Amino acid sequence: KQEVTQIPAALSVPEGENLVLNCSFTDSAIYNLQWFRQDPGKGLTSLLLIQSSQREQTSGRLNASLDKSSGRSTLYIAASQPGDSATYLCAARGGGADGLTFGKGTHLIIQP
Amino acid sequence: DAGVIQSPRHEVTEMGQEVTLRCKPISGHDYLFWYRQTMMRGLELLIYFNNNVPIDDSGMPEDRFSAKMPNASFSTLKIQPSEPRDSAVYFCASSSQSGDTQYFGPGTRLTVL
Repeated sequence: KQEVTQIPAALSVPEGENLVLNCSFTDSAIYNLQWFRQDPGKGLTSLLLIQSSQREQTSGRLNASLDKSSGRSTLYIAASQPGDSATYLCAARGGGADGLTFGKGTHLIIQP
Repeated sequence: DAGVIQSPRHEVTEMGQEVTLRCKPISGHDYLFWYRQTMMRGLELLIYFNNNVPIDDSGMPEDRFSAKMPNASFSTLKIQPSEPRDSAVYFCASSSQSGDTQYFGPGTRLTVL
């Protein structure tokens, strides 16, 4: 059974810093990995999706990487802003099913 | 596009009552997913449909939970009878094809007293 772990559980940094959020998964036979953002009391917003054949994806100040062999993905946020404050979730889609297995998220606070 | 629509946004009920949560996926999406989020367990997949057919319901916790998708634009998740431990946020999501990005609705916050 796939298990997804996110470290750290919480992170607080000053505005302007570059930061890295980590995600690890136990079963490397994933189809893809998706990063989401969740604001308090809201639904999930998809940030990036990396297919198993890809090494990274970029969108604006966000860059996500995937290393299947080591069971790891990272989300890099450049030049952080207070508006980036949210909970970031990673989710793995297995090879045999379409449902996602989620980590418990990293609660990020960017201090103005 | 209006995105995934869920109703109600909030539901408070008493133990033993029947609860029905509703979801309208994005038009043209063939996959619909129901997830539950709690502080203790995080987000968990309950069930998903492809072209209105349930594919995997292994995440449905008990027989008290049931889900239907009578047509491509509507799905329900029913809990009967409800219990306090069912209190959670229930999300519906949809995607256009297998493995594509999943788009989530705003969720229904369920409180069972």
